[in-house]
Amino acid sequence: AQSVTQLDSQVPVFEEAPVELRCNYSSSVSVYLFWYVQYPNQGLQLLLKYLSGSTLVESINGFEAEFNKSQTSFHLRKPSVHISDTAEYFCAVTQNTGGFKTIFGAGTRLFVKA
Amino acid sequence: GAVVSQHPSRVICKSGTSVKIECRSLDFQATTMFWYRQFPKQSLMLMATSNEGSKATYEQGVEKDKFLINHASLTLSTLTVTSAHPEDSSFYICSARFGGTGELFFGEGSRLTVL
Repeated sequence: AQSVTQLDSQVPVFEEAPVELRCNYSSSVSVYLFWYVQYPNQGLQLLLKYLSGSTLVESINGFEAEFNKSQTSFHLRKPSVHISDTAEYFCAVTQNTGGFKTIFGAGTRLFVKA
Repeated sequence: GAVVSQHPSRVICKSGTSVKIECRSLDFQATTMFWYRQFPKQSLMLMATSNEGSKATYEQGVEKDKFLINHASLTLSTLTVTSAHPEDSSFYICSARFGGTGELFFGEGSRLTVL
């Protein structure tokens, strides 16, 4: 079985400040790790992913996440946030076997204030 | 990236009627699609895995007779909410697995309101 824990349900932050959204997972098999972003009343969009190789992955809009196997974490960071980054962020874990079932964390609402 | 389209985006229906939601992969073939349900301010709950040409696999606690899933082709899966009731009101999201990595591409979601 696998599970995903997002430790913060809401993260308010001022514009241009750094932010970290935390994600921890547990799994008995190897996994792929993802961060998705959801804007109001929309579906989810892939932000970034870790499949293998370098443990630090980056997105095109300045987000990055680091896979830490020993701590079973995949925290999302951005050094300077914008108002437009306000959204719900979901960490997800996909089993690297069988049906590739994906489990999502509870989500973290990032609220960027001016 | 791969595109998944979901229709309708919003639907309002009367209690007791059935509603069909379509999920299409527009530029790739999806042998596996997933249906999720999302309650307000909550995460996505996996309802079922839809496999082309075979019966869907439902998660524990999801009524398969209430939520009918059909995956008749490699680009289309449908979710039919039968005899809908107000408690079925929710945001339903489909996704399709692209390639061998487990990466999911999501539809825009369908907000169902049952009066």
